[in-house]
Amino acid sequence: QKEVEQDPGPLSVPEGAIVSLNCTYSNSAFQYFMWYRQYSRKGPELLMYTYSSGNKEDGRFTAQVDKSSKYISLFIRDSQPSDSATYLCAMSETGNQFYFGTGTSLTVIP
Amino acid sequence: ETGVTQTPRHLVMGMTNKKSLKCEQHLGHNAMYWYKQSAKKPLELMFVYNFKEQTENNSVPSRFSPECPNSSHLFLHLHTLQPEDSALYLCASSTWTEGRYEQYFGPGTRLTVT
Repeated sequence: QKEVEQDPGPLSVPEGAIVSLNCTYSNSAFQYFMWYRQYSRKGPELLMYTYSSGNKEDGRFTAQVDKSSKYISLFIRDSQPSDSATYLCAMSETGNQFYFGTGTSLTVIP
Repeated sequence: ETGVTQTPRHLVMGMTNKKSLKCEQHLGHNAMYWYKQSAKKPLELMFVYNFKEQTENNSVPSRFSPECPNSSHLFLHLHTLQPEDSALYLCASSTWTEGRYEQYFGPGTRLTVT
């Protein structure tokens, strides 16, 4: 069983839509959760960071962690074409070694 | 671009060549990482260095040899690679700041083994 499961997509939505990206995981000891955005031919860029359970909001982005279900989500409101990228979830138990999902490819159509 | 730079950005090498990838971070971080990114696969952690000491080596073949001369520089020495080693090699650095963990990636080196 993989440590982290993420639907690779591709996901295609119209501009202005609400996007929901998700990951599930198997290790209940994970307590650090991150979302990265990766544009084509670039390295991943840290988007959201959450410690333990709960919600975190930053502009149009909201990250949710449900440790009881071992499920994390990233919501993008009012999606823009510039949001088109691959979104990677990552998580860690100790903050030293991170486990990544495969990434979800998102395209926002103008 | 982040404060993590990588050179070269693209590398084509034969199976008998020896080459090195270089990573430099300008963020004052104390940990540095090498990851391998292949299509349709999760990022694979290869090596972790904390304060220049290697703390993780995830069963990486010996044809990959890391070197960390100081907290700001990280190298990945390559020799007798296989075609399946073709991938994007990403360097990252990290630190704890104000109770928050931050990890930043470089742009990667696109490696093709012929």
